[in-house]
Amino acid sequence: GENVEQHPSTLSVQEGDSAVIKCTYSDSASNYFPWYKQELGKRPQLIIDIRSNVGEKKDQRIAVTLNKTAKHFSLHITETQPEDSAVYFCAGGGSSNTGKLIFGQGTTLQVKP
Amino acid sequence: GAGVSQSPSNKVTEKGKDVELRCDPISGHTALYWYRQSLGQGLEFLIYFQGNSAPDKSGLPSDRFSAERTGGSVSTLTIQRTQQEDSAVYLCASSLVSGLAGGNEQYFGPGTRLTVT
Repeated sequence: GENVEQHPSTLSVQEGDSAVIKCTYSDSASNYFPWYKQELGKRPQLIIDIRSNVGEKKDQRIAVTLNKTAKHFSLHITETQPEDSAVYFCAGGGSSNTGKLIFGQGTTLQVKP
Repeated sequence: GAGVSQSPSNKVTEKGKDVELRCDPISGHTALYWYRQSLGQGLEFLIYFQGNSAPDKSGLPSDRFSAERTGGSVSTLTIQRTQQEDSAVYLCASSLVSGLAGGNEQYFGPGTRLTVT
């Protein structure tokens, strides 16, 4: 079945350093790849997304890259700040023109001041 | 405007009892999703409603779980004969879905924390 693998499960960086989270997906028909941020006790919120016709997308300190051939995509956060500390989830979906998403297991990012 | 709302926010029930969880999606959103998030875990897909199409129930873990969406808006997730392993946060989300664009941003509700004792 459809599957999204996410690594690492935990990531600790110093403030100002970069953080990279990687995901792979199994459904080659997937064409939509969002990233969600979930702060402790709060609901997940979209931070950036990318569609399969684009290889890279950037929004200020956040960027996502997509390699369709290898079926993997990555989240890059530069100049990390303590408020970036949260759990990040990748997801893949959009195949068969549906909205269904399969989420990765999550990465707990800790940014140390 | 109002976001996705869920009720109750917390539910404690005894093993073997049935529970109903409610989700009010954002007005105009045609797609509605239910997920389960166990403590410290990821988002487990349960069921997906899109317009008048038959729901995608492929994520429901057992026949004790069912969901309805009445009038294309409010949805209810029902868990019958609850078990302790059903304890989790149940999240609902809604989105606009374009047939051509496929996936779109999902807006999540605050969740219902279910505890089965």
